[in-house]
Amino acid sequence: DAGITQSPRHKVTETGTPVTLRCHQTENHRYMYWYRQDPGHGLRLIHYSYGVKDTDKGEVSDGYSVSRSKTEDFLLTLESATSSQTSVYFCAIQGQMNTEAFFGQGTRLTVV
Amino acid sequence: SQQGEEDPQALSIQEGENATMNCSYKTSINNLQWYRQNSGRGLVHLILIRSNEREKHSGRLRVTLDTSKKSSSLLITASRAADTASYFCATDPNAGGTSYGKLTFGQGTILTVHP
Repeated sequence: DAGITQSPRHKVTETGTPVTLRCHQTENHRYMYWYRQDPGHGLRLIHYSYGVKDTDKGEVSDGYSVSRSKTEDFLLTLESATSSQTSVYFCAIQGQMNTEAFFGQGTRLTVV
Repeated sequence: SQQGEEDPQALSIQEGENATMNCSYKTSINNLQWYRQNSGRGLVHLILIRSNEREKHSGRLRVTLDTSKKSSSLLITASRAADTASYFCATDPNAGGTSYGKLTFGQGTILTVHP
């Protein structure tokens, strides 16, 4: 398995609270991604990073922000969690473009 | 929007049979990838086929790509109970410029292989 770790693996939080999910990689890969997976929607891209401090929005970025201050860490923040953000969140990494991506084990987030 | 649409949504077969899943997409691509997801787990990469390739094999997997029809198929031969999982196609769109490896996923095919 590629060296990619997500934390926490499970979290329950209340509506309106901030939440930060962490993705940590040991592969020194340049590209990192956050996806969410919901029934009926497959995986959808939230944000991605193409280098330290280089990030951009994906398809479903509203309500989310990201930061990447080191190659190995990519943080996803829900500024004020809403019930619609209840989902399973996956981090992925990629070494070069046009190659395979490696996924973390996912974080199951429930907003109550 | 979903770039990849998969068919069928669910497939149930007996061990030893072949399983075929199809994926259609809408825009030009750099490559198309297939992933497997076991229940409650992360996605595992199976195979990547580039836009200039038509067929690739990996073990019991065979993937075809028809860019003129914007479609791909994944064939799993001699299926096993351990192949039970969800299978997703993902496209790396070529929209001009740099894609940064962003993937657009289909909704997946749930494969059940009965012993």
